[in-house]
Amino acid sequence: GAVVSQHPSWVICKSGTSVKIECRSLDFQATTMFWYRQFPKQSLMLMATSNEGSKATYEQGVEKDKFLINHASLTLSTLTVTSAHPEDSSFYICSAPDRGNYGYTFGSGTRLTVV
Amino acid sequence: GENVGLHLPTLSVQEGDNSIINCAYSNSASDYFIWYKQESGKGPQFIIDIRSNMDKRQGQRVTVLLNKTVKHLSLQIAATQPGDSAVYFCAENNGDNFNKFYFGSGTKLNVKP
Repeated sequence: GAVVSQHPSWVICKSGTSVKIECRSLDFQATTMFWYRQFPKQSLMLMATSNEGSKATYEQGVEKDKFLINHASLTLSTLTVTSAHPEDSSFYICSAPDRGNYGYTFGSGTRLTVV
Repeated sequence: GENVGLHLPTLSVQEGDNSIINCAYSNSASDYFIWYKQESGKGPQFIIDIRSNMDKRQGQRVTVLLNKTVKHLSLQIAATQPGDSAVYFCAENNGDNFNKFYFGSGTKLNVKP
């Protein structure tokens, strides 16, 4: 079945630095990638939608200059958390539509801790 | 996002019993719903889906029921097993973008051996 590979699985960074998270579709082309954030014991919150070859669209309240999204190819989308602060610590998950069936396929998530 | 919420944040069941997890949604235009299972530290995993032209769909040990009148759906797990312990989310398609979903708040299912 469709697989979305997400890296890194966890990262610790200092406050003020930037962190890049990658999501790759391994056996299918993902023209669209969705990025979610999940705080402990909470649901997934859709942050933005990346589209290959065009600008990402952000959900209301999500700072596009802080969460830079790039969809460089049909198999790669990246999320960069810029000037990270402790409140950005969260679980970030990407997902891509699975054209075959089953809605869409999720990456394994990235646990970001900003210290 | 859409307001998709759950009635029960935590559900504890005995192994072998049946589990029922509920979800309410607010957008009457939503036409596609998915139930996901999320184990600790992992991404969500598809369980079962249902379209708005159906009121019931069955999978292996799982059944989803959709009541469009009251905008409610439920996930039934038969003969619950310890491996079913996880957080379960319903996700709602907003009707404008087939692949764009909003998630409910989740229910944690604890299966006691």
